[in-house]
Amino acid sequence: AQSVTQLGSHVSVSEGALVLLRCNYSSSVPPYLFWYVQYPNQGLQLLLKYTTGATLVKGINGFEAEFKKSETSFHLTKPSAHMSDAAEYFCAVSGGSSNTGKLIFGQGTTLQVKP
Amino acid sequence: DVKVTQSSRYLVKRTGEKVFLECVQDMDHENMFWYRQDPGLGLRLIYFSYDVKMKEKGDIPEGYSVSREKKERFSLILESASTNQTSMYLCASSDLGYTQYFGPGTRLTVL
Repeated sequence: AQSVTQLGSHVSVSEGALVLLRCNYSSSVPPYLFWYVQYPNQGLQLLLKYTTGATLVKGINGFEAEFKKSETSFHLTKPSAHMSDAAEYFCAVSGGSSNTGKLIFGQGTTLQVKP
Repeated sequence: DVKVTQSSRYLVKRTGEKVFLECVQDMDHENMFWYRQDPGLGLRLIYFSYDVKMKEKGDIPEGYSVSREKKERFSLILESASTNQTSMYLCASSDLGYTQYFGPGTRLTVL
């Protein structure tokens, strides 16, 4: 069965500091992996996704994530945090071999950016 | 651009009322989903649909039903609203690559 664990429900960084949000997954089949961002009172917006091929994936707003199969991880990073990055971030893994489009979401990590 | 719209951003209903939440997507996606989101609990899947008139229960279907008469529209129905259904409801549709596209959400309050 597929599952996702996001380490740390709250992460606080200073503006200009490195952002690192951690995600570990388990999957019985080759996974598709996603990061979404949610700003207050809005829906989720796709940041980036990994399907196959290059393991370092670049997304919008300067974010990137690296798929590490040996560590079953897909951590999200950004070299320099901006105040506008404050939001909730969700990691997700594709939900198995049947093509129903299901995703399994982590519990979310709230990113706080301090001036 | 993919667009997923939800019928209301904010909704206030009374206990026992029948509530309809509607979701429309414009990308001809086969799959559509309803989630609820509560603080500390993340996103929980209520129901999903992989074709017109086809539906499957998610993780928390109790107290809800769904309808998908047309490909672009997926409705969530609360047969008799209760206070514990006060929540943020998110609709999504997905392409064949599993990418889900979300609507803006409906914040439902049941009094």
